Amino acid sequence: DTAVSQTPKYLVTQMGNDKSIKCEQNLGHDTMYWYKQDSKKFLKIMFSYNNKELIINETVPNRFSPKSPDKAHLNLHINSLELGDSAVYFCASSQDSGRQQFFGPGTRLTVL
Amino acid sequence: SQQGEEDPQALSIQEGENATMNCSYKTSINNLQWYRQNSGRGLVHLILIRSNEREKHSGRLRVTLDTSKKSSSLLITASRAADTASYFCATDAYGNNRLAFGKGNQVVVIP
Repeated sequence: DTAVSQTPKYLVTQMGNDKSIKCEQNLGHDTMYWYKQDSKKFLKIMFSYNNKELIINETVPNRFSPKSPDKAHLNLHINSLELGDSAVYFCASSQDSGRQQFFGPGTRLTVL
Repeated sequence: SQQGEEDPQALSIQEGENATMNCSYKTSINNLQWYRQNSGRGLVHLILIRSNEREKHSGRLRVTLDTSKKSSSLLITASRAADTASYFCATDAYGNNRLAFGKGNQVVVIP
């Protein structure tokens, strides 16, 4: 039983396109996150939602728009993709912000 | 300033040896956590140590926390090839509503 799942696992697309990444957790957690991991493996938080409400929006370009239809799902939509958006994007969840986080397998986004 | 900053070193050891990595941080914390990331995978939580704890064990893992020095260490004893991964520390600081992850330490265990 996958705790935190993401789709797709790989995403290859052209500059300027719009794409979405989906995330679902079946742990009953209240808090979900999106992280971006660059080529040097640095993990940077992008967004955090608690019970469908945006808690953290970490100076991310407004081309990135998270959407949480319910507390088990947090999707990430990216408009007008740029080369610099190429990275691995991780979804994670936790019961609350200070506790251990459970990570999804990641989505490797490549913008050509 | 970045919290949860590991010593930026890659570690290559023989199977059976111990591996130690360190993490320093800059502000007061509620807890500090260590995560492992195998190549091409998501991060997996290893251990959480609270600010009022000094040492914690989990299987072959031993974590220490020195709040006066704002530092933590992770020791993996009797390493195995399967321990080859990147290890991240992350701090939960008061009022931040987030974990701040360090840069990660690459550990390679040679069979």
